[in-house]
Amino acid sequence: ILNVEQSPQSLHVQEGDSTNFTCSFPSSNFYALHWYRWETAKSPEALFVMTLNGDEKKKGRISATLNTKEGYSYLYIKGSQPEDSATYLCASMNTNAGKSTFGDGTTLTVKP
Amino acid sequence: KAGVTQTPRYLIKTRGQQVTLSCSPISGHRSVSWYQQTPGQGLQFLFEYFSETQRNKGNFPGRFSGRQFSNSRSEMNVSTLELGDSALYLCASSLSWGGLNEQFFGPGTRLTVL
Repeated sequence: ILNVEQSPQSLHVQEGDSTNFTCSFPSSNFYALHWYRWETAKSPEALFVMTLNGDEKKKGRISATLNTKEGYSYLYIKGSQPEDSATYLCASMNTNAGKSTFGDGTTLTVKP
Repeated sequence: KAGVTQTPRYLIKTRGQQVTLSCSPISGHRSVSWYQQTPGQGLQFLFEYFSETQRNKGNFPGRFSGRQFSNSRSEMNVSTLELGDSALYLCASSLSWGGLNEQFFGPGTRLTVL
């Protein structure tokens, strides 16, 4: 059974703090990892699609790294802003390309 | 560019009934994936369609089915509804199938089964 775990479950930070979350996934037959941001009352928004070991991707103040050999990915947010408050989800695809397994997400709250 | 649209947005059904949900992808996107989100199970993959063919299927019973039309619009059907089918159903479109492209999600259909 494929298990994708995210930690921490929730995080409260002050505006301006930098933060990071972890996504752990099975390393065997890895195919791709997706990161999403899901704000309340909105649809999930794609952040990154990562496939190669050692991949590093960046979008504004958000960046992500990927280690497929040990099965983890980190998401970093530099200088958190209140608008970064959301649940951040990762989804792993192993063996069956296109069949995603999602983690439960990390809920970030950024206080002004 | 118009985003992914889903209809209806809200639906109330009773046990034993069937339901059909619709998803229109972003223009030019040929892959549509469906997901179920429940408080207890989180977000779970249902199936993915590309060029009118189901490419991947999640671990759901046969009561859950789908199809895709030549214009890439997709429908999913749930027959013999159970209370546990109450959930938010999301669809997402992407350029191609297989998970190497970004997925763009619709607003979802909230299904309540009484």
